Amino acid sequence: EIVLTQSPGTLSLSPGERATLSCRASQSVRSNYLAWYQQKPGQAPRLLIYGASSRATGIPDRFSGSGSGTDFTLTISRLEPEDFAVYYCQQYGNSRTFGQGTKVEIK
Amino acid sequence: EVQLVESGGGLVQPGRSLRLSCEASGFSLAAYAMHWVRQAPGKGLEWVSGISWNNGDIDYADSVKGRFTISRDNAKNSLYLQMESLRTEDTALYHCVKAPRWRDAFDIWGQGTMVTVSS
Repeated sequence: EIVLTQSPGTLSLSPGERATLSCRASQSVRSNYLAWYQQKPGQAPRLLIYGASSRATGIPDRFSGSGSGTDFTLTISRLEPEDFAVYYCQQYGNSRTFGQGTKVEIK
Repeated sequence: EVQLVESGGGLVQPGRSLRLSCEASGFSLAAYAMHWVRQAPGKGLEWVSGISWNNGDIDYADSVKGRFTISRDNAKNSLYLQMESLRTEDTALYHCVKAPRWRDAFDIWGQGTMVTVSS
């Protein structure tokens, strides 16, 4: 099983700041089959990024994904008030697993 | 509107069984891979099981292997999860999820149905 470790656990930032979230895999993720999801309280998760760097339909371009192999990053270039949420990475190259999540909170 | 609606959750005693259902509306799930993902109260996401469009690929998390069975009825536009020998650690909100292909991210999520395993 591929274990995904997200860091930091919590990120405290102000609106307008840049957020950088990390996702590290215990072994190489096949074909960069890595996705990012956003979840707000009481809501189902929403797909942001797939294939490590492709934005899902309707996702603003302030969200970007990068990385390959075992190290992946989600960047939010300028935080909007609606971006404060929990973010999960997921690999789907070897079965499927999720990271434990990073909470982005208002500083 | 494209939607997945889960049903069948509830309170069940340890060791008992439960069957979850998921009905798609606004699209035909016949062409897509489908999955179940759960989230225990206050915890993160855990993938449970997935099934390809033609049942050619089926996979389970180690935590449920041998106890849970995923199935689909494309004619009824529905996905199912048969859960046997339930444990307290199976308590969670169970989401039905769609993926465009077997090796793909999850693009449509249902709101979930709550399963509580307790005596």
